[in-house]
Amino acid sequence: DADVTQTPRNRITKTGKRIMLECSQTKGHDRMYWYRQDPGLGLRLIYYSFDVKDINKGEISDGYSVSRQAQAKFSLSLESAIPNQTALYFCATSREGVNQPQHFGDGTRLSIL
Amino acid sequence: DAKTTQPPSMDCAEGRAANLPCNHSTISGNEYVYWYRQIHSQGPQYIIHGLKNNETNEMASLIITEDRKSSTLILPHATLRDTAVYYCIVRGLTDSWGKLQFGAGTQVVVTP
Repeated sequence: DADVTQTPRNRITKTGKRIMLECSQTKGHDRMYWYRQDPGLGLRLIYYSFDVKDINKGEISDGYSVSRQAQAKFSLSLESAIPNQTALYFCATSREGVNQPQHFGDGTRLSIL
Repeated sequence: DAKTTQPPSMDCAEGRAANLPCNHSTISGNEYVYWYRQIHSQGPQYIIHGLKNNETNEMASLIITEDRKSSTLILPHATLRDTAVYYCIVRGLTDSWGKLQFGAGTQVVVTP
């Protein structure tokens, strides 16, 4: 979905490095989410934000932090990357309200050596 | 615990309708049925969702049985670009904060 843009698309880095993944959206949605996808495990929610001043932990927030710099931008940081954080990371957005569908970016493939 | 059951794979001929089944026998009254798909190396794409009435949009139709224990996603004229993994997800009001429980899905292969 071109309305949700993730950068970089691919990243290879070393253990212990700090990494930031960025997400920006032009959909005008208030809510933004970060997921990771691992083979055989489906998508797991890392963090989510309902507006600029709101940050909430998801299922697997340990080792990650986020920043909601503006309505349109939500970044995910790995403070000290470790190999088991190697995964496909997705950002998603949705409108405010009950049962609004989430719209995903095309992901960042992250490899930690 | 899995809330939905889908066949692991199915094939469909290009130009024909693709009918993707999903069982959700434990669905409760305030839970919606959502469908997403994921084309290889891309992000999940929202297709459609419904509560109890049948729904149609530009991508697909969603048929929900009267007892709501199962549903069918219909792609009316499958194309090669519809080859993807399709996920049926049950999502309730308490999940509105974000949680989408993706299962294994159905790998759909559209053949010429």
